[in-house]
Amino acid sequence: GQNIDQPTEMTATEGAIVQINCTYQTSGFNGLFWYQQHAGEAPTFLSYNVLDGLEEKGRFSSFLSRSKGYSYLLLKELQMKDSASYLCAVRDSNYQLIWGAGTKLIIKP
Amino acid sequence: ETGVTQTPRHLVMGMTNKKSLKCEQHLGHNAMYWYKQSAKKPLELMFVYNFKEQTENNSVPSRFSPECPNSSHLFLHLHTLQPEDSALYLCASSQDSGSGANVLTFGAGSRLTVL
Repeated sequence: GQNIDQPTEMTATEGAIVQINCTYQTSGFNGLFWYQQHAGEAPTFLSYNVLDGLEEKGRFSSFLSRSKGYSYLLLKELQMKDSASYLCAVRDSNYQLIWGAGTKLIIKP
Repeated sequence: ETGVTQTPRHLVMGMTNKKSLKCEQHLGHNAMYWYKQSAKKPLELMFVYNFKEQTENNSVPSRFSPECPNSSHLFLHLHTLQPEDSALYLCASSQDSGSGANVLTFGAGSRLTVL
């Protein structure tokens, strides 16, 4: 079967750095997405990786290793507004999106 | 605002009621989606419409009935639901449902409670 694994919950301190991991086993690979979802709000697109390596976008970076079936989302200089759930999703060989259950990130002052 | 608007935001209904969820997008997208989001579970794709044609129906019970009258509007008609159908129902749109980055733009969801 197809599976996406990510931690259920993480806690970090304001101003620090946190890394949210995502591992996947899917039938083929056509890209990996990260979305952010604040409580009671719409998920919003953060990043898309289709080739190995690091994609940096401001305070957020996303890394992909296709050979290891692994990605991480790196958040630097954490702010209280970064408290949210982070969803990892992989598009398989049929261009179907397979979703993880999300990681709830709690930022403490 | 994401450009995808869902109404109502909250809905409470009994098992014998009939109600509808509405989704509207003015992003010029050609694909629209219904997802179910339950606590601590992955998003479940329910239906996909591409250029107003239904291209995906992920074994969804017939008590959920989608309607896509045009590329900007999507409905989910609900009848004789079960308590386990209580969840957040998310609508999303994208340029199309094919290849490429095909980023989804989501609405804020309709929180459904079935009594």
